[in-house]
Amino acid sequence: KAGVTQTPRYLIKTRGQQVTLSCSPISGHRSVSWYQQTPGQGLQFLFEYFSETQRNKGNFPGRFSGRQFSNSRSEMNVSTLELGDSALYLCASSAGLSPYEQYFGPGTRLTVT
Amino acid sequence: GESVGLHLPTLSVQEGDNSIINCAYSNSASDYFIWYKQESGKGPQFIIDIRSNMDKRQGQRVTVLLNKTVKHLSLQIAATQPGDSAVYFCAEKDVDSSYKLIFGSGTRLLVRP
Repeated sequence: KAGVTQTPRYLIKTRGQQVTLSCSPISGHRSVSWYQQTPGQGLQFLFEYFSETQRNKGNFPGRFSGRQFSNSRSEMNVSTLELGDSALYLCASSAGLSPYEQYFGPGTRLTVT
Repeated sequence: GESVGLHLPTLSVQEGDNSIINCAYSNSASDYFIWYKQESGKGPQFIIDIRSNMDKRQGQRVTVLLNKTVKHLSLQIAATQPGDSAVYFCAEKDVDSSYKLIFGSGTRLLVRP
């Protein structure tokens, strides 16, 4: 079974721009979660989608948004990029039901200059 | 490769020895925990999970121990191999949300040949 895929793997953007990252979960998984990973803050939860509905959101500003499509693929968008948004953005896939284990993709490395 | 943490605690072990990685969690009501392994340039890889109704769970070469009294989790790796070199994270399921994982800061494991 294919794993979680994320595109693009690397991205360089300029402050003020916006960016869209994509995630395809494991086949049959209906839940997609997004995390931001930085050296200073570690892994932090952004939001989670299940069957196209956002079920939970972390403590990030409204510039961070996401959505999920009917095929469970998910996108996250960051508008008005700031230097501090430079991070590894990870997508995790799960069946969405107990026992909740999440399987991560390789991540998208975003650099904001 | 990508650095996931510049100032992580580091555990250095000799190849063939057993490794023990520790983690403290914050919420005594947490009922589900996961250990992840993250190699440079990759997303976290699921290793093993444990529910709070268990004290111990074993996998292939790995054992997770849960001490609810002191809110402590440990991952034991038997006969550590060079391929075990990575950053290890513990994560707990958020009590207030089944769909969110709260990650620890991670421990870097270095295996000496």
